[in-house]
Amino acid sequence: AQSVTQLGSHVSVSEGALVLLRCNYSSSVPPYLFWYVQYPNQGLQLLLKYTTGATLVKGINGFEAEFKKSETSFHLTKPSAHMSDAAEYFCAVGTINFGNEKLTFGTGTRLTIIP
Amino acid sequence: SQTIHQWPATLVQPVGSPLSLECTVEGTSNPNLYWYRQAAGRGLQLLFYSVGIGQISSEVPQNLSASRPQDRQFILSSKKLLLSDSGFYLCAWNTATSGMETQYFGPGTRLLVL
Repeated sequence: AQSVTQLGSHVSVSEGALVLLRCNYSSSVPPYLFWYVQYPNQGLQLLLKYTTGATLVKGINGFEAEFKKSETSFHLTKPSAHMSDAAEYFCAVGTINFGNEKLTFGTGTRLTIIP
Repeated sequence: SQTIHQWPATLVQPVGSPLSLECTVEGTSNPNLYWYRQAAGRGLQLLFYSVGIGQISSEVPQNLSASRPQDRQFILSSKKLLLSDSGFYLCAWNTATSGMETQYFGPGTRLLVL
């Protein structure tokens, strides 16, 4: 079984400030980890993913996340927030089972950027 | 390149009416297909997934059903809608060539049941 916890359903940061969105997971097998972003009334767009290899993963729009196995975390960061970053962000954990993948999503974090 | 379509984009239906939401994928063959529901203030819940034509797995018991009549078509249905069926429905896909671990999402259908 796998699960994802996103701490903070709403996060507000000032434009130009550091963005930190927290995600902790549990998985009985080595996980695949994802961050998706959802803009209003749109589907989900893949921001970045960790599968194997380097634990610091860089994604689109200047975001990055670090897989920390000891802390079972995959927090999302961006050094300097931009107004266009305002959206909802979902962390997800996945496993592959005979070619059938299941993703378990967190409940999401709504990011607001303060001008 | 691959694209995924969902329609309608928005739907308002009365309680007790039937439902049919359609999802199609272009530019790939034999995709895995998924239906998710995003209820207000909640995360995404996997409803159904399909690894091939006529193969449907249900994740949670509910008032909905899914069908896959063609390789790249995935349909979500209900005979009688409930108020609790309101939400944002997302279709997703992946294949071995796209990277099996990653799912790609469509634009979604917003359903309001009154």
